[in-house]
Amino acid sequence: DAGVTQSPTHLIKTRGQQVTLRCSPKSGHDTVSWYQQALGQGPQFIFQYYEEEERQRGNFPDRFSGHQFPNYSSELNVNALLLGDSALYLCASSLRAGSYNEQFFGPGTRLTVL
Amino acid sequence: GQNIDQPTEMTATEGAIVQINCTYQTSGFNGLFWYQQHAGEAPTFLSYNVLDGLEEKGRFSSFLSRSKGYSYLLLKELQMKDSASYLCAVSPGDRDSNYQLIWGAGTKLIIKP
Repeated sequence: DAGVTQSPTHLIKTRGQQVTLRCSPKSGHDTVSWYQQALGQGPQFIFQYYEEEERQRGNFPDRFSGHQFPNYSSELNVNALLLGDSALYLCASSLRAGSYNEQFFGPGTRLTVL
Repeated sequence: GQNIDQPTEMTATEGAIVQINCTYQTSGFNGLFWYQQHAGEAPTFLSYNVLDGLEEKGRFSSFLSRSKGYSYLLLKELQMKDSASYLCAVSPGDRDSNYQLIWGAGTKLIIKP
């Protein structure tokens, strides 16, 4: 049973560039949530996708956008990168929308912005 | 506002017992999660409490008091592999934040031989 997968594992970009991160949910899951985790901090909720729609959004600017595909996989796009966007980006999948369902996390993408 | 507090760091001895506390103030409450996160890895689910009381799962137990906005994670018979960060997260479940989890900053647990 495949767990949550994310790509790429690591990424280095420069300020002003754009980046796309990808996530495939655990088999049987239909909901994907994205989080940003700065070093030494807890994850911060970016948004959640269910049925190809953004269900809720955390306190992140419009530079952060996403998409969910019919196969439930998801992308996170960040435009006009800032130094402060350097973090671990985690994708979590669950069954059905709602934060009260157990979320399974992928290994994350470590983004470094120079 | 939404707020979750945990101690930043704790140290314990192999074979001993440790209790990690979490207090929360959120707009609503629809459950509290504990996750374990080893350095450089993804968080992994440990427990979920939605009703008051103690939930036991092997060496790990989690307690919740909704009236006090308080939870703790109890780790028994500590092993070196338990060295990790322990994250407390709350599901507010209210209209404005129904789909997100509010996370604490995590407690780094150091196990010494």
